[in-house]
Amino acid sequence: TQLLEQSPQFLSIQEGENLTVYCNSSSVFSSLQWYRQEPGEGPVLLVTVVTGGEVKKLKRLTFQFGDARKDSSLHITAAQPGDTGLYLCAGAAIKLWGSQGNLIFGKGTKLSVKP
Amino acid sequence: EAQVTQNPRYLITVTGKKLTVTCSQNMNHEYMSWYRQDPGLGLRQIYYSMNVEVTDKGDVPEGYKVSRKEKRNFPLILESPSPNQTSLYFCASSLSMGLGRKNEKLFFGSGTQLSVL
Repeated sequence: TQLLEQSPQFLSIQEGENLTVYCNSSSVFSSLQWYRQEPGEGPVLLVTVVTGGEVKKLKRLTFQFGDARKDSSLHITAAQPGDTGLYLCAGAAIKLWGSQGNLIFGKGTKLSVKP
Repeated sequence: EAQVTQNPRYLITVTGKKLTVTCSQNMNHEYMSWYRQDPGLGLRQIYYSMNVEVTDKGDVPEGYKVSRKEKRNFPLILESPSPNQTSLYFCASSLSMGLGRKNEKLFFGSGTQLSVL
């Protein structure tokens, strides 16, 4: 069974601080996605990384896919209260035949950014 | 507007009373999926469908049924709900779920909070 371990589970910081969220697995994924979920809503995709070593930036958010495609990180620079939410990583499983049919989600990191 | 619509948003029911949560998408997506979200356990997949009349079990299918008779609809059926099915449920859809393709983005509905007493 493929698992994605996210850390930390909870993070409470002050506005302006930097933070990094990690997503680790012993399995290789064909791609990895990061979602953000706000209370009362479904997750919304932030980014997809596909190539080992790939780095993508979305304003103050930097996403990296590990060289071996087993792990990923999300770094937020100068966090704002608007960044508050649940951050989820999700890996696309690899199968040797057909298409994989599902994404495996980490348990999420609940981020709170205080003004 | 492109969206995934789930109904109802909130549902309180009693043990054993059959219920259906509807899910509809207007994006002509091939892939649809149901998840449940529980504190400390994250999002767990219940069932998914690669296309019309093609469904498969996810990680936690026990106690649930699905059908995919039309491309846009993917209802979740609880034939005999039990209290351990109290959860927040999400329906999601994607254009496809191809291997390594960048169009694997999942669009989520707003969720259905189910309480089984």
